[in-house]
Amino acid sequence: AQKITQTQPGMFVQEKEAVTLDCTYDTSDQSYGLFWYKQPSSGEMIFLIYQGSYDEQNATEGRYSLNFQKARKSANLVISASQLGDSAMYFCAMRTNQAGTALIFGKGTTLSVSS
Amino acid sequence: NAGVTQTPKFRVLKTGQSMTLLCAQDMNHEYMYWYRQDPGMGLRLIHYSVGEGTTAKGEVPDGYNVSRLKKQNFLLGLESAAPSQTSVYFCASSYSSGYSNQPQHFGDGTRLSIL
Repeated sequence: AQKITQTQPGMFVQEKEAVTLDCTYDTSDQSYGLFWYKQPSSGEMIFLIYQGSYDEQNATEGRYSLNFQKARKSANLVISASQLGDSAMYFCAMRTNQAGTALIFGKGTTLSVSS
Repeated sequence: NAGVTQTPKFRVLKTGQSMTLLCAQDMNHEYMYWYRQDPGMGLRLIHYSVGEGTTAKGEVPDGYNVSRLKKQNFLLGLESAAPSQTSVYFCASSYSSGYSNQPQHFGDGTRLSIL
């Protein structure tokens, strides 16, 4: 079964600190993609970062990096130097070649950044 | 830069009423999706389409119908609304599977309440 698991319902971090949001996945497909989306309180879904199953290097996008450990089937999001504007819900999602390459989402992690 | 546009943004229905949610994209994407987001559940796939004139069921299709008569539009219908369909509905679109590293683009969502 294809599944995404996010075990942290909520995370708390202070400004300027780094934080890691956990994501594990399960799939029997060899080719797949892993995505992280941010959902602020306004509700829209904002794409953050992508990692392909064949990518040998961890993806990075500005302050976001993806710690991809294929053998462990984990794809953790690392946010460096947290900002107040990072407070939001974060979703890990997986795309395979099934269901029109639709995304399978985890239940999300709420990140709260304090000053 | 419209991207993916959903209408309406908010709607309140009574049990048994019908309505149609409209999704329009201007990125010439082949694939389109409807998801629903419920508290604590992440996003779940309702229906999807891999091209004009084609649709398929996702994880939670019961009570919904869809149509893709034009490439740029994907309609989600509720024939007889039920309180269990109270949710936030997201439409998304993407390129075909040959561009698997490209993210899905999401609309801003439709908040639907069934009384």
